[in-house]
Amino acid sequence: NAGVTQTPKFRVLKTGQSMTLLCAQDMNHEYMYWYRQDPGMGLRLIHYSVGEGTTAKGEVPDGYNVSRLKKQNFLLGLESAAPSQTSVYFCASTPNRRLSGELFFGEGSRLTVL
Amino acid sequence: GESVGLHLPTLSVQEGDNSIINCAYSNSASDYFIWYKQESGKGPQFIIDIRSNMDKRQGQRVTVLLNKTVKHLSLQIAATQPGDSAVYFCAERSQGAGGTSYGKLTFGQGTILTVHP
Repeated sequence: NAGVTQTPKFRVLKTGQSMTLLCAQDMNHEYMYWYRQDPGMGLRLIHYSVGEGTTAKGEVPDGYNVSRLKKQNFLLGLESAAPSQTSVYFCASTPNRRLSGELFFGEGSRLTVL
Repeated sequence: GESVGLHLPTLSVQEGDNSIINCAYSNSASDYFIWYKQESGKGPQFIIDIRSNMDKRQGQRVTVLLNKTVKHLSLQIAATQPGDSAVYFCAERSQGAGGTSYGKLTFGQGTILTVHP
């Protein structure tokens, strides 16, 4: 099993450009998340999804959109990139499991906005 | 000038020593507390979690202690090895409306652990 796979791993954008990050998981997990990580800081939740066709806002949703058309995929979009969105983005997933706090993370996607 | 959040707490230990990493949490309604390890260039890896109705849980070479009175969480690593060098994050899972959190976690700032051979 590949677990959680993120593409692309690296991307450089110019201000105003758009792009989509793809997250795919092969563990049949119900819940999926997009976090961003900035230097010296912990991870902050952007958006999340509790099932196919559903999405919800997290702590820092502005400037991002998401879609979950298939259970295994969770897409994060930037419509008009800004330098403040330079960050490392992590996707995570977990089954609907009350008795554990474990999330399974991808390897990250490093985005630079010039 | 310096920016808040750029300087993580650090802990340096010698190989074979025990390490203790501390974390303060904020939400009394959190039902799970979790420790993650993040190596350079990789995603966070789950280490151990503890439910809010417990005060201690042990894993392989790791122990997590929870003190709800002072909202404090700690991770103890026994016989620390160079491979334990990483950034360690604590996280809390907060109960949402109706007692459902949907697994969302709030992460701490992180602590850099360096193990010297």
